[in-house]
Amino acid sequence: KQEVTQIPAALSVPEGENLVLNCSFTDSAIYNLQWFRQDPGKGLTSLLLIQSSQREQTSGRLNASLDKSSGRSTLYIAASQPGDSATYLCAVRHPGGADGLTFGKGTHLIIQP
Amino acid sequence: GAGVSQSPRYKVAKRGQDVALRCDPISGHVSLFWYQQALGQGPEFLTYFQNEAQLDKSGLPSDRFFAERPEGSVSTLKIQRTQQEDSAVYLCASSLQGTSYNEQFFGPGTRLTVL
Repeated sequence: KQEVTQIPAALSVPEGENLVLNCSFTDSAIYNLQWFRQDPGKGLTSLLLIQSSQREQTSGRLNASLDKSSGRSTLYIAASQPGDSATYLCAVRHPGGADGLTFGKGTHLIIQP
Repeated sequence: GAGVSQSPRYKVAKRGQDVALRCDPISGHVSLFWYQQALGQGPEFLTYFQNEAQLDKSGLPSDRFFAERPEGSVSTLKIQRTQQEDSAVYLCASSLQGTSYNEQFFGPGTRLTVL
């Protein structure tokens, strides 16, 4: 059974710092991995999608990497801003299980002004 | 609208009542997913449609949960005889095609509270 783990569960850093969020998954046979942002009381906003054949994706100050063989992904946020404060979730879609995404529990990020 | 919409945004039900939650996917999206998110947890998959066909309902927690998408667009998740453990945010997502490689786009969710 695929399991997704996100470390740390919570993180608080001063504005301007670069930071890394970690995601690991137990079964490396995935179709893709998707990073999301969730603001309190809101739905999920898709940030980056990495297909299993790709190593990384970039969007603005965000960079996500994927090491499928080791079952790991990282989300790098450069020059953090208070508006980046949210919960960040990673999820994988994989064969052999249900057709939906399997999510981690998220990293709750606070950027201090 | 350009995104996935869900209604109602908030629903309070007394234990034992039936509820119906609606999802309007992005126009033209073939695939539609329902997820359940308990407080402090990541979303958990409930069921998946490709057009009007329900291809996977393995995540539905009990036979009190029923989903439909009769015309391949709008979907309804129905919960019969609600119980307190059904309290959660119900999220709907859609993706353009029916392959496993497509990005999923989520709606704002419906927060269900069962008293």
